Amino acid sequence: KNEVEQSPQNLTAQEGEFITINCSYSVGISALHWLQQHPGGGIVSLFMLSSGKKKHGRLIATINIQEKHSSLHITASHPRDSAVYICAVGSYNNNDMRFGAGTRLTVKP
Amino acid sequence: DGGITQSPKYLFRKEGQNVTLSCEQNLNHDAMYWYRQDPGQGLRLIYYSQIVNDFQKGDIAEGYSVSREKKESFPLTVTSAQKNPTAFYLCASRRISGAETQYFGPGTRLLVL
Repeated sequence: KNEVEQSPQNLTAQEGEFITINCSYSVGISALHWLQQHPGGGIVSLFMLSSGKKKHGRLIATINIQEKHSSLHITASHPRDSAVYICAVGSYNNNDMRFGAGTRLTVKP
Repeated sequence: DGGITQSPKYLFRKEGQNVTLSCEQNLNHDAMYWYRQDPGQGLRLIYYSQIVNDFQKGDIAEGYSVSREKKESFPLTVTSAQKNPTAFYLCASRRISGAETQYFGPGTRLLVL
C-alpha cells in the first residue's frame, strides 16, 4: 500500500462544477502539499498546510491531522483548471517527501 | 526572473550511453533534488543535496550519479547501469531554513532509443 493515496485517479467535470480531490496518508507528517502539474510537465506548488484550511482564489485545501486526510476543492471549475493534481507529504525538513500518484482532472467547457 | 531551469526538454539516449541532465537555479536555494516520474506513479526521489559538495541517495539512486560543485547547479547523470531510464525527470530546490516548500523545474523527458 502506498504511503500517499489519492482519489479519484481521473476526474472529468463540466465547467462550473465544484470539484473535490482527496488524499489519505499513512505516515507521520509535518506538512502536506498540493501541487499542480500541467500537460507540459512543470509542477507548481498550490498549498503547503499542516492544519486547518487554506484558500487561494477558487482553490481551497483542508487537512484533518487526526484522520490523516486532506481534500483539495475547486469552486466554479474552468477548463484552465485541467491538470494533474498531486498530493505530497513531508517531514519538517521536507527532504523526505512522499508523493501520491496524482489525480488527472479534465474540465470540459 | 528567478526560477529553476532544466535542459534539455527532451533527450534521447542510445543503449549503453551515459547522458547528463542539467538543473540550474537562481533562487539562492540551499537544497536541490532530483525526482523521477513514471506514468501512474508518484514522484520518486533519486538524489538530493543540501550543501555544495555533499549529496545523499534517495529511494532509487542506482544507475544515477550527481555532483554539486556550485550552489546553483545540480546535474544528474543517467548511466548505462540504469536499465529502464525512460521517464520524466524533475529537479526541485528549496531554502533549508524553516518548513519551506520545494520549487520545481519544467522537467526533462528522457527516451531510450
